[in-house]
Amino acid sequence: EVHLVESGGGLVQPGGSLRLSCAASGFTFSDYWMNWVRQTPGKGLEWVANIKKDGSEKYYVDSVKGRFTISRDSSKNSLYLQMNSLRAEDTAVYYCARRGYGDYDRAFDYWGQGTLVTVSS
Amino acid sequence: QSALTQPRSVSGSPGQSVTISCTGTSSDVGYFNYVSWYQHHLGKVPKFMIYDVSKRPSGVPDRFSASKSGNTASLTISGLQAEDEADYYCCSYAGSSTWVFGGGTKLTVL
Repeated sequence: EVHLVESGGGLVQPGGSLRLSCAASGFTFSDYWMNWVRQTPGKGLEWVANIKKDGSEKYYVDSVKGRFTISRDSSKNSLYLQMNSLRAEDTAVYYCARRGYGDYDRAFDYWGQGTLVTVSS
Repeated sequence: QSALTQPRSVSGSPGQSVTISCTGTSSDVGYFNYVSWYQHHLGKVPKFMIYDVSKRPSGVPDRFSASKSGNTASLTISGLQAEDEADYYCCSYAGSSTWVFGGGTKLTVL
């Protein structure tokens, strides 16, 4: 069974940094693109970043470019999001989501339970 | 990378049908046939409900159907059940390995 478990969220001051992790199990991690998606308070979901199966390609939403870095470690079946220069508007629940394979290639077929990041002084 | 537009809320009585719209642009919803829908019950993991505009993954009831016309995608839930009460999000591929989600619609089953 596929499991995605995020960790690393917490309270951080504006301008600070935080590193999120997502532990994956139940599937061959290196076969899938992985994503971070966030849900801001009172708002909808926002795709944040993704990374190719082998880590060779990374893409970001404009609002986090230059501040966030997505990475993965297939030896640990883990996905990461390094968040620097955090702003109040980055406050959100951050979800790790797997992009599907084959027929499900253009959707997110499994999600984690999310980890809350609060940026506040 | 502007969010897709969804109604904030919809409601319906058990047994009725409701439709949730999702409006994007000619660069995302209107261009790619890669719209997906997700159901999110508060405190739970988002669930994948629809892919490629109108296809259901295995295990999703056929009460859930979806379509697209121009820049607007739609999700229809027929035979409403209490368990359908949740937030629903649409998502579209936007090219260059980027994605855009809708603001979410809260479905209330009266």
